[in-house]
Amino acid sequence: GDSVTQMEGPVTLSEEAFLTINCTYTATGYPSLFWYVQYPGEGLQLLLKATKADDKGSNKGFEATYRKETTSFHLEKGSVQVSDSAVYFCALSSPRAGNKLTFGGGTRVLVKP
Amino acid sequence: DARVTQTPRHKVTEMGQEVTMRCQPILGHNTVFWYRQTMMQGLELLAYFRNRAPLDDSGMPKDRFSAEMPDATLATLKIQPSEPRDSAVYFCASGLVEAGTEAFFGQGTRLTVV
Repeated sequence: GDSVTQMEGPVTLSEEAFLTINCTYTATGYPSLFWYVQYPGEGLQLLLKATKADDKGSNKGFEATYRKETTSFHLEKGSVQVSDSAVYFCALSSPRAGNKLTFGGGTRVLVKP
Repeated sequence: DARVTQTPRHKVTEMGQEVTMRCQPILGHNTVFWYRQTMMQGLELLAYFRNRAPLDDSGMPKDRFSAEMPDATLATLKIQPSEPRDSAVYFCASGLVEAGTEAFFGQGTRLTVV
């Protein structure tokens, strides 16, 4: 079945540091890929998405590129802020699996001033 | 501003009691998901519906959990009887699920079974 693997946290960074969170996936067919973010006490919010190979999703300074050859969708931000402290989830949605969302385990990011 | 609404936000109940969680999906969305989040297991898909019909509930313990969509504006998740191991945050999400369309999450119901 479909699966998503992302790096375990927590990831602790200083403000203005570069952030990378690795995400790889296994899916049949051509899934859509997503990054969601969860702030404390809240539900998940979509951060960005990509629907086909080589697409780049971007939002709020975050970027991720759909790499079919490496089945990856790594999240990057060039200069993090304290407000980026949250849990980040990589996810996929595959038409062959009824378009249900499959999530990775989440990566907690803590940005220190 | 359209959003998924879940009630209650918090619920504390005694073991053995029935618990019902409710979700109002975004108007026009045709797919509803129920997820459970715990520290140990992360996000688990319990069930999901398309056009109010259950598509997959294989993630749900059948003996005590049930999920329904009595109409397009309401989804329910019921636990009877509840157990301490059911303590978790339960999320509902809805989407207009065509290829590439994301799901929108509610704020969750934090359930504590004592």
